[in-house]
Amino acid sequence: GEDVEQSLFLSVREGDSSVINCTYTDSSSTYLYWYKQEPGAGLQLLTYIFSNMDMKQDQRLTVLLNKKDKHLSLRIADTQTGDSAIYFCAEKAASGTYKYIFGTGTRLKVLA
Amino acid sequence: GAVVSQHPSWVICKSGTSVKIECRSLDFQATTMFWYRQFPKQSLMLMATSNEGSKATYEQGVEKDKFLINHASLTLSTLTVTSAHPEDSSFYICSAIGRLSNQPQHFGDGTRLSIL
Repeated sequence: GEDVEQSLFLSVREGDSSVINCTYTDSSSTYLYWYKQEPGAGLQLLTYIFSNMDMKQDQRLTVLLNKKDKHLSLRIADTQTGDSAIYFCAEKAASGTYKYIFGTGTRLKVLA
Repeated sequence: GAVVSQHPSWVICKSGTSVKIECRSLDFQATTMFWYRQFPKQSLMLMATSNEGSKATYEQGVEKDKFLINHASLTLSTLTVTSAHPEDSSFYICSAIGRLSNQPQHFGDGTRLSIL
Protein backbone atom coordinates (compact mmCIF):
# COMPACT_ATOMS: atom_id res chain seq x y z
CA GLY A 1 0.00 0.00 0.00
CA GLU A 2 0.98 3.63 -0.34
CA ASP A 3 0.66 5.17 3.09
CA VAL A 4 2.68 8.03 4.46
CA GLU A 5 2.16 8.50 8.16
CA GLN A 6 2.90 11.32 10.53
CA SER A 7 2.02 12.06 14.11
CA LEU A 8 -0.90 14.47 14.27
CA PHE A 9 0.30 17.03 16.80
CA LEU A 10 3.50 18.46 18.19
CA SER A 11 3.84 21.21 20.74
CA VAL A 12 7.15 22.89 21.58
CA ARG A 13 8.32 25.99 23.38
CA GLU A 14 9.76 28.92 21.48
CA GLY A 15 13.50 28.54 21.07
CA ASP A 16 13.46 24.75 21.38
CA SER A 17 14.02 22.36 18.50
CA SER A 18 11.11 20.62 16.81
CA VAL A 19 11.37 17.21 15.23
CA ILE A 20 8.58 16.09 12.92
CA ASN A 21 8.63 12.47 11.85
CA CYS A 22 7.31 10.69 8.80
CA THR A 23 7.24 7.07 7.73
CA TYR A 24 6.61 5.95 4.21
CA THR A 25 6.13 2.61 2.52
CA ASP A 26 7.44 2.91 -1.05
CA SER A 27 11.11 1.99 -0.93
CA SER A 28 11.55 3.03 -4.56
CA SER A 29 10.65 6.67 -3.89
CA THR A 30 13.19 8.97 -5.50
CA TYR A 31 12.50 12.26 -3.73
CA LEU A 32 10.97 13.13 -0.38
CA TYR A 33 9.61 16.56 0.45
CA TRP A 34 8.58 18.71 3.34
CA TYR A 35 5.85 21.30 2.89
CA LYS A 36 4.41 23.86 5.32
CA GLN A 37 0.78 24.94 5.29
CA GLU A 38 -0.44 27.95 7.22
CA PRO A 39 -4.18 28.41 7.89
CA GLY A 40 -6.18 29.08 4.75
CA ALA A 41 -3.14 28.96 2.50
CA GLY A 42 -1.54 26.62 0.02
CA LEU A 43 1.56 24.55 0.59
CA GLN A 44 4.99 26.13 0.82
CA LEU A 45 7.93 23.97 -0.17
CA LEU A 46 10.45 23.92 2.67
CA THR A 47 13.03 21.46 1.49
CA TYR A 48 13.47 18.13 -0.22
CA ILE A 49 15.95 15.31 -0.28
CA PHE A 50 17.02 12.85 -2.91
CA SER A 51 16.75 9.24 -1.84
CA ASN A 52 20.49 8.58 -2.07
CA MET A 53 21.19 11.18 0.62
CA ASP A 54 21.10 10.66 4.37
CA MET A 55 20.93 14.26 5.46
CA LYS A 56 20.33 17.71 4.14
CA GLN A 57 20.68 20.96 6.05
CA ASP A 58 19.23 24.29 5.03
CA GLN A 59 19.59 27.08 7.60
CA ARG A 60 17.34 26.11 10.53
CA LEU A 61 16.05 22.99 8.80
CA THR A 62 17.70 19.57 8.90
CA VAL A 63 16.25 16.61 7.04
CA LEU A 64 17.30 13.09 7.98
CA LEU A 65 16.49 10.10 5.83
CA ASN A 66 16.75 6.48 6.93
CA LYS A 67 15.97 4.43 3.85
CA LYS A 68 16.30 1.12 5.64
CA ASP A 69 13.51 2.05 8.05
CA LYS A 70 11.68 4.26 5.50
CA HIS A 71 11.80 7.09 7.99
CA LEU A 72 12.10 10.78 7.27
CA SER A 73 12.39 13.57 9.79
CA LEU A 74 12.43 17.35 9.76
CA ARG A 75 14.22 19.17 12.53
CA ILE A 76 13.55 22.87 13.01
CA ALA A 77 16.16 24.56 15.16
CA ASP A 78 15.30 27.55 17.36
CA THR A 79 11.58 27.15 16.67
CA GLN A 80 9.67 30.42 16.44
CA THR A 81 5.98 31.22 16.81
CA GLY A 82 5.89 31.84 13.05
CA ASP A 83 6.73 28.18 12.56
CA SER A 84 3.31 27.20 13.90
CA ALA A 85 1.60 25.48 10.96
CA ILE A 86 0.81 22.07 9.52
CA TYR A 87 3.78 20.22 8.07
CA PHE A 88 3.33 17.61 5.36
CA CYS A 89 5.88 15.13 4.17
CA ALA A 90 5.43 13.74 0.68
CA GLU A 91 7.08 11.08 -1.41
CA LYS A 92 7.35 11.16 -5.14
CA ALA A 93 5.72 8.06 -6.53
CA ALA A 94 8.19 6.02 -8.53
CA SER A 95 5.67 5.35 -11.26
CA GLY A 96 6.94 8.21 -13.41
CA THR A 97 3.74 10.20 -13.23
CA TYR A 98 5.21 12.89 -10.97
CA LYS A 99 2.43 12.25 -8.45
CA TYR A 100 3.15 12.78 -4.79
CA ILE A 101 1.79 10.81 -1.89
CA PHE A 102 1.22 13.13 1.03
CA GLY A 103 1.39 12.31 4.68
CA THR A 104 -1.41 12.99 7.09
CA GLY A 105 0.17 16.21 8.26
CA THR A 106 1.59 17.26 11.66
CA ARG A 107 0.17 20.31 13.37
CA LEU A 108 3.01 22.15 15.08
CA LYS A 109 2.13 24.55 17.82
CA VAL A 110 4.87 26.79 19.18
CA LEU A 111 4.28 28.16 22.67
CA ALA A 112 5.69 31.56 23.54
CA GLY B 1 11.13 31.84 -8.64
CA ALA B 2 8.55 29.08 -9.22
CA VAL B 3 5.47 31.10 -8.33
CA VAL B 4 2.02 29.61 -8.83
CA SER B 5 -0.99 31.89 -8.70
CA GLN B 6 -4.49 30.61 -8.03
CA HIS B 7 -7.66 32.62 -8.54
CA PRO B 8 -10.09 33.26 -6.98
CA SER B 9 -8.99 32.72 -3.40
CA TRP B 10 -12.56 32.49 -2.11
CA VAL B 11 -15.87 32.04 -3.85
CA ILE B 12 -19.38 31.69 -2.54
CA CYS B 13 -22.15 30.75 -4.93
CA LYS B 14 -25.58 29.22 -5.11
CA SER B 15 -26.22 25.54 -5.61
CA GLY B 16 -26.49 24.63 -9.28
CA THR B 17 -24.03 27.15 -10.62
CA SER B 18 -20.68 26.35 -12.20
CA VAL B 19 -17.45 27.74 -10.79
CA LYS B 20 -14.13 28.11 -12.59
CA ILE B 21 -10.82 28.19 -10.74
CA GLU B 22 -7.63 29.27 -12.49
CA CYS B 23 -4.09 28.12 -11.79
CA ARG B 24 -1.21 29.97 -13.40
CA SER B 25 2.53 29.44 -13.31
CA LEU B 26 3.94 32.96 -13.33
CA ASP B 27 7.63 32.49 -13.98
CA PHE B 28 8.03 29.02 -15.46
CA GLN B 29 6.41 26.75 -17.98
CA ALA B 30 4.29 24.13 -16.28
CA THR B 31 4.20 20.96 -18.29
CA THR B 32 2.14 19.25 -15.63
CA MET B 33 -0.38 20.65 -13.18
CA PHE B 34 -2.19 18.90 -10.38
CA TRP B 35 -5.53 19.61 -8.73
CA TYR B 36 -6.10 18.66 -5.12
CA ARG B 37 -8.99 18.83 -2.75
CA GLN B 38 -8.51 19.28 0.97
CA PHE B 39 -11.16 18.72 3.63
CA PRO B 40 -10.84 20.45 7.02
CA LYS B 41 -8.02 19.07 9.14
CA GLN B 42 -7.11 16.50 6.49
CA SER B 43 -4.35 15.94 4.02
CA LEU B 44 -4.49 16.67 0.31
CA MET B 45 -6.43 14.39 -1.97
CA LEU B 46 -5.25 14.33 -5.56
CA MET B 47 -8.14 14.80 -7.96
CA ALA B 48 -6.43 14.85 -11.33
CA THR B 49 -3.23 15.39 -13.23
CA SER B 50 -3.24 17.59 -16.29
CA ASN B 51 -0.62 17.84 -18.99
CA GLU B 52 -0.51 20.72 -21.40
CA GLY B 53 -2.42 19.97 -24.57
CA SER B 54 -3.86 16.64 -23.49
CA LYS B 55 -6.78 15.32 -21.49
CA ALA B 56 -6.50 15.24 -17.75
CA THR B 57 -5.99 11.97 -15.89
CA TYR B 58 -8.50 11.65 -13.08
CA GLU B 59 -8.01 9.71 -9.88
CA GLN B 60 -10.36 6.90 -9.03
CA GLY B 61 -13.67 8.16 -7.70
CA VAL B 62 -13.37 11.66 -9.15
CA GLU B 63 -16.13 12.48 -11.62
CA LYS B 64 -14.58 13.93 -14.74
CA ASP B 65 -17.89 15.38 -15.91
CA LYS B 66 -18.29 17.12 -12.59
CA PHE B 67 -14.78 18.51 -12.37
CA LEU B 68 -13.73 19.73 -15.81
CA ILE B 69 -10.02 20.38 -16.21
CA ASN B 70 -8.45 22.28 -19.07
CA HIS B 71 -4.73 22.80 -19.54
CA ALA B 72 -4.64 24.81 -22.73
CA SER B 73 -1.25 26.45 -22.30
CA LEU B 74 2.03 25.93 -20.49
CA THR B 75 1.08 28.52 -17.89
CA LEU B 76 -2.62 28.00 -17.28
CA SER B 77 -4.87 25.21 -16.08
CA THR B 78 -8.50 25.62 -15.07
CA LEU B 79 -10.80 23.53 -12.91
CA THR B 80 -14.53 24.02 -13.43
CA VAL B 81 -16.89 22.60 -10.85
CA THR B 82 -20.09 22.09 -12.80
CA SER B 83 -23.54 22.30 -11.24
CA ALA B 84 -21.99 22.72 -7.83
CA HIS B 85 -23.77 21.44 -4.73
CA PRO B 86 -23.07 21.97 -1.03
CA GLU B 87 -21.08 18.73 -0.85
CA ASP B 88 -18.62 20.23 -3.34
CA SER B 89 -17.70 22.88 -0.78
CA SER B 90 -14.04 22.43 0.00
CA PHE B 91 -10.56 23.89 -0.32
CA TYR B 92 -9.12 23.30 -3.79
CA ILE B 93 -5.38 23.63 -4.39
CA CYS B 94 -3.40 23.42 -7.59
CA SER B 95 0.28 22.73 -8.08
CA ALA B 96 2.61 22.81 -11.04
CA ILE B 97 5.94 21.40 -12.09
CA GLY B 98 8.27 22.44 -14.88
CA ARG B 99 10.03 20.49 -17.56
CA LEU B 100 12.70 18.83 -15.46
CA SER B 101 11.69 15.59 -13.78
CA ASN B 102 13.45 16.40 -10.51
CA GLN B 103 11.70 19.72 -9.94
CA PRO B 104 9.34 19.82 -6.95
CA GLN B 105 5.68 20.70 -7.16
CA HIS B 106 4.94 24.34 -6.40
CA PHE B 107 1.53 25.14 -5.00
CA GLY B 108 -0.98 27.90 -5.40
CA ASP B 109 -2.57 29.51 -2.36
CA GLY B 110 -5.79 27.54 -2.76
CA THR B 111 -9.42 28.42 -3.41
CA ARG B 112 -12.05 28.10 -0.75
CA LEU B 113 -15.31 27.15 -2.40
CA SER B 114 -18.56 27.51 -0.47
CA ILE B 115 -21.80 26.38 -2.10
CA LEU B 116 -25.00 27.60 -0.47
